Amino acid sequence: EPEVTQTPSHQVTQMGQEVILRCVPISNHLYFYWYRQILGQKVEFLVSFYNNEISEKSEIFDDQFSVERPDGSNFTLKIRSTKLEDSAMYFCASSRDGINEKLFFGSGTQLSVL
Amino acid sequence: DQQVKQNSPSLSVQEGRISILNCDYTNSMFDYFLWYKKYPAEGPTFLISISSIKDKNEDGRFTVFLNKSAKHLSLHIVPSQPGDSAVYFCAASAMDSSYKLIFGSGTRLLVRP
Repeated sequence: EPEVTQTPSHQVTQMGQEVILRCVPISNHLYFYWYRQILGQKVEFLVSFYNNEISEKSEIFDDQFSVERPDGSNFTLKIRSTKLEDSAMYFCASSRDGINEKLFFGSGTQLSVL
Repeated sequence: DQQVKQNSPSLSVQEGRISILNCDYTNSMFDYFLWYKKYPAEGPTFLISISSIKDKNEDGRFTVFLNKSAKHLSLHIVPSQPGDSAVYFCAASAMDSSYKLIFGSGTRLLVRP
């Protein structure tokens, strides 16, 4: 069964450093998303991406965050200068049709900012 | 921002009995609702959904009920099995913001053998 793949599974970084979280969405999907879950809290929407541009973003997704689909298969989330409060599980998701469609989530990257 | 609320953080049920997980929402624009199941160290997995034009959707042991007037939905699992033990998230989306899901805080279900 096709799945969304995320690497690395764990990432530890120092505050102020840049991190790139990587995702390989399901191959025939066209809509891509990043969500995150801070420990003990709800899963929060960060950004959606379609046709090589951001379609929607939350207030969490400020100028420190960026997304890219560099090569037609990978989908990356970059945090330019990490803060302690960026520590969370980051989930990539993809969808075939976008609107009201079920999302398929990856297993997440646990980011720890020290 | 508590547009989707799951007021019960945990629920414990005997194997074979019914599990009922509840979810309330405040945004009248929500028109599609989903339940996701999440095991530790895994991403959420889609379970079942319902459109606002329906009041019930059933898939095997799982049934979701939607009460639009009360802005309430519930997930029924019957019979419950130990493998159902997981965190269950209610999520909603709106036509005018259809690219994102708003999640509740989750309910941890424990099915006791």
